[in-house]
Amino acid sequence: EAQVTQNPRYLITVTGKKLTVTCSQNMNHEYMSWYRQDPGLGLRQIYYSMNVEVTDKGDVPEGYKVSRKEKRNFPLILESPSPNQTSLYFCASSLSGRGTGEKLFFGSGTQLSVL
Amino acid sequence: RKEVEQDPGPFNVPEGATVAFNCTYSNSASQSFFWYRQDCRKEPKLLMSVYSSGNEDGRFTAQLNRASQYISLLIRDSKLSDSATYLCVVKKGAQKLVFGQGTRLTINP
Repeated sequence: EAQVTQNPRYLITVTGKKLTVTCSQNMNHEYMSWYRQDPGLGLRQIYYSMNVEVTDKGDVPEGYKVSRKEKRNFPLILESPSPNQTSLYFCASSLSGRGTGEKLFFGSGTQLSVL
Repeated sequence: RKEVEQDPGPFNVPEGATVAFNCTYSNSASQSFFWYRQDCRKEPKLLMSVYSSGNEDGRFTAQLNRASQYISLLIRDSKLSDSATYLCVVKKGAQKLVFGQGTRLTINP
């Protein structure tokens, strides 16, 4: 089944403790992206990647890191999480990211709480 | 001004009613437009792309008005299962998608 797999689904952590949220897709998509969703603000892009070893900042990259060593995986790293990073996170992928009608496939989300 | 603006609602309508939402965008160079549907705290899913000529998919009709820079979504004969948040999405430049904050719709029996 074609899908984007995100883990974990829920994560509670404390300020400053490094964490990684994993994202993997099995559709051979070139484009992958991370979003955070907060009430009243919609989805905001954190980082995106057009292909292996190519990553770029989105609108809210501060406090986050990503890597794209393999096409299928795009982990999101919080080196020193803070309470303002408490949010619902989504990973997404699409075929190339360039197509005008391209569909974004989303993972099921990670609800992160930083205490 | 936000790049993509939607009325957050909530819209509460009776089953069988017709409901419409608009979404305005600020970048006149935007080329691609979409409506995504998101059920409570779940992942967004593409509902439909919005074409210049307008398009229809069953009970759903999407329209684009470039002159006034808005897109619309019309739902006819609404069902209980249409209750969700509808996200307006605008493609800005070659790769960037900008999401509206969403319009929450509840269909009442």
